[in-house]
Amino acid sequence: GNSVTQMEGPVTLSEEAFLTINCTYTATGYPSLFWYVQYPGEGLQLLLKATKADDKGSNKGFEATYRKETTSFHLEKGSVQVSDSAVYFCALSGAGSSNTGKLIFGQGTTLQVKP
Amino acid sequence: GAGVSQSPRYKVAKRGQDVALRCDPISGHVSLFWYQQALGQGPEFLTYFQNEAQLDKSGLPSDRFFAERPEGSVSTLKIQRTQQEDSAVYLCASSLVRHTDTQYFGPGTRLTVL
Repeated sequence: GNSVTQMEGPVTLSEEAFLTINCTYTATGYPSLFWYVQYPGEGLQLLLKATKADDKGSNKGFEATYRKETTSFHLEKGSVQVSDSAVYFCALSGAGSSNTGKLIFGQGTTLQVKP
Repeated sequence: GAGVSQSPRYKVAKRGQDVALRCDPISGHVSLFWYQQALGQGPEFLTYFQNEAQLDKSGLPSDRFFAERPEGSVSTLKIQRTQQEDSAVYLCASSLVRHTDTQYFGPGTRLTVL
């Protein structure tokens, strides 16, 4: 079945450091890929998405590229801020006519950015 | 505009009690999803509605879990005879039309079963 694996956290970085959170997936067909973020005390928010191979999703300085050859969708940011401290979830939604759009999530990676 | 709202935000139940969790999706959103998020884990799919039709309930963990959306708007997730393993945050999400549209999540209901 479809699944998502994320690097384990927590990830602790200093402000302005480079961020990478690894995400790999297993899926049949051509899924859509997502990064969601959960800030402390808030609900899940869509950060970025990509719907086909080689697409790059980007938002708020974060980027991720859909790599079908390595089945990966790693999240990157060039310079993190304290306000980026949150839990990040990688997710996929399956393809095909039988797809109901349900999201399959990784276990989440906690990012803590220190000033 | 208003986002997805859920109530109650927190619910404590004694084992064996029935609970009902409510979700108000964004107005006009056709698709509605329920997810269960255990502590320290990612959300897991429970069920999906398109308008009032429940098209996928493959994620419901047992027949104690029941969801409905009778008028295609508000949805209720009901858990009968709650067990300790039901303790989790229950998330509701809605999307505009197609199930492939972006899902917008509510704040969740944290259920604790004692």
